[in-house]
Amino acid sequence: QVQLVQSGAEVKKPGASVKVSCKASGYIFTNYTLHWVRQAPGQRLEWMGWINAGNENTQFSQKFQGRITLTRDTSANTAYMELSSLTSEDTAVYYCARQVTAPVNGLLLRWFDPWGQGTLVTVSS
Amino acid sequence: IQLTQSPSSLSASVGDRVTITCRASQGIRGYLVWYQQKPGQAPQVLIYPASTLQGGVPSRFSGSGSGTHFTLTISSLQPEDFATYYCQQLNSYPYTFGQGTKLEIK
Repeated sequence: QVQLVQSGAEVKKPGASVKVSCKASGYIFTNYTLHWVRQAPGQRLEWMGWINAGNENTQFSQKFQGRITLTRDTSANTAYMELSSLTSEDTAVYYCARQVTAPVNGLLLRWFDPWGQGTLVTVSS
Repeated sequence: IQLTQSPSSLSASVGDRVTITCRASQGIRGYLVWYQQKPGQAPQVLIYPASTLQGGVPSRFSGSGSGTHFTLTISSLQPEDFATYYCQQLNSYPYTFGQGTKLEIK
């Protein structure tokens, strides 16, 4: 079955960087785009950006421009999200999610399915 | 694009019919998705743009709407439906989510 498995929890100090991995299985990795979404405690879900696993194109939320790097390793069917210059406000659960796309009535509809299990990143001195 | 869900929380009983609303600050055509999230779990898609039920999702869930006003309806609440529900727009960047509606048992 289609599955995304993320790396384990991380604890980082302010100013450090964190790199989270997302290993895909059950589908052709390079045929899909992977998104990254985070959820801070008590907050709504927040979209961070995506990477096209085929051509490695990326798109980011302006909020994270300059701090986020998305990469992928096709030999390992794994995508990576690296976030730098961490502050306590980056404490959150980070998710990867696969984008599914379907043309319907002239629109190219899209949604996220499945999601990884989430990776808790705690930033604390 | 801001998404505002109402209500933010809701207390209901098994068997009740409930409706959750998601309003967008500008038109998003049909690019609205509904997710269910249970504590400690990742979100799972329920309804994708905006009224197609994901495979395996019970038919008691339904979605409707277009433009700026969307609704998620659960026709007869079951114990496993008590969770938090989020809407998401994928019409334009940055993709955004509603603040969530927490559905609790009365």
